[in-house]
Amino acid sequence: GESVGLHLPTLSVQEGDNSIINCAYSNSASDYFIWYKQESGKGPQFIIDIRSNMDKRQGQRVTVLLNKTVKHLSLQIAATQPGDSAVYFCAENIGGGSYIPTFGRGTSLIVHP
Amino acid sequence: ETGVTQSPTHLIKTRGQQVTLRCSSQSGHNTVSWYQQALGQGPQFIFQYYREEENGRGNFPPRFSGLQFPNYSSELNVNALELDDSALYLCASSLASPLVSGGTDTQYFGPGTRLTVL
Repeated sequence: GESVGLHLPTLSVQEGDNSIINCAYSNSASDYFIWYKQESGKGPQFIIDIRSNMDKRQGQRVTVLLNKTVKHLSLQIAATQPGDSAVYFCAENIGGGSYIPTFGRGTSLIVHP
Repeated sequence: ETGVTQSPTHLIKTRGQQVTLRCSSQSGHNTVSWYQQALGQGPQFIFQYYREEENGRGNFPPRFSGLQFPNYSSELNVNALELDDSALYLCASSLASPLVSGGTDTQYFGPGTRLTVL
């Protein structure tokens, strides 16, 4: 079946570097995408979202890029900090008023001080 | 903190038993969703309730059922527990109806209940 997946299960970076977490999706009907951060012992926390009519959206230190041609989503974190260490999930939602979110497996981001 | 709480934090059951997990949503949030998160995996959508009615369901059998109450609390019930039901169960609340927001309303997750089935 169609699914959301991540290319890299673990990403290690140095503090201050920029991080890029990638996500591939295969359902062309998906029109809304969300990135979540999950720290140990906590539930997922919303980071940023993007609709399919956009290709880029920026937040505080984070940028999401959407490439619908190749069905690829990425999360860029600028000046990564130790507090950014967590598992990051992308999720897709098929529109039309329904809510059937599909999460990817997750990427573990490790930030070394 | 998200203002969403879940109880209990941890729970151990044996195969065949029944379990009820509880969630207290943010005040004013009419929509609650439940997810199952196996170790090392992303959350899997179980179902969603809006104003006390089921509003959407993922690929889970009928032995997974839920209730939502007017006081912004909700329950997830699982009957005839199986070993594979061992997971972290998350609830998430949001303000708007998915029929209005198209499912784009921000969800606020609780910390989860860790269920172990022996």
